[in-house]
Amino acid sequence: NAGVTQTPKFQVLKTGQSMTLQCAQDMNHEYMSWYRQDPGMGLRLIHYSVGAGITDQGEVPNGYNVSRSTTEDFPLRLLSAAPSQTSVYFCASSEQAPRAPLHFGNGTRLTVT
Amino acid sequence: GDSVTQMEGPVTLSEEAFLTINCTYTATGYPSLFWYVQYPGEGLQLLLKATKADDKGSNKGFEATYRKETTSFHLEKGSVQVSDSAVYFCACGATNKLIFGTGTLLAVQP
Repeated sequence: NAGVTQTPKFQVLKTGQSMTLQCAQDMNHEYMSWYRQDPGMGLRLIHYSVGAGITDQGEVPNGYNVSRSTTEDFPLRLLSAAPSQTSVYFCASSEQAPRAPLHFGNGTRLTVT
Repeated sequence: GDSVTQMEGPVTLSEEAFLTINCTYTATGYPSLFWYVQYPGEGLQLLLKATKADDKGSNKGFEATYRKETTSFHLEKGSVQVSDSAVYFCACGATNKLIFGTGTLLAVQP
């Protein structure tokens, strides 16, 4: 059982470039979310989705877009990367957040130069 | 808004010592509370949870009790091992969001 799969594992971007971080889950979870992890800041919620076609903003949504066209996939788009977006990004899914536990992917380490 | 405050680390202990990591939360309603653990280079894994007041979550020798009167969910373990070295995150789930604390690094020395 693959669980939550994130690609790529590592990425280096130049300021102003765009890219999409991929996230897929095979557990038929309705809830999916994106977090960023920074030293001393813990995990901060970027965007989340409670089902296909439904997305909403978290604590730090600026500079990021999401869409949810299928239950399985929840990509995170950076339209114009900035050095402040250098971070480790985690995708997570759940049967019914927030009361059910989150299942996390292994993360994408992004560096913006 | 909802928030979680947990003690800053790093916490350094000798093997077999007693562990406490403090966590308090602010949330409306009746949130669920969680402890997650992150080992180096990995994503977070659920350690334990509690969904209502006075519930005690437990797993792998770790325990935490949901205290609504003090809005706390402190993590404890009676005898830590080197393999417990990791970052521990307290989290609070209310509405549609799971909010995390800043994490506490635990280092256990043999």
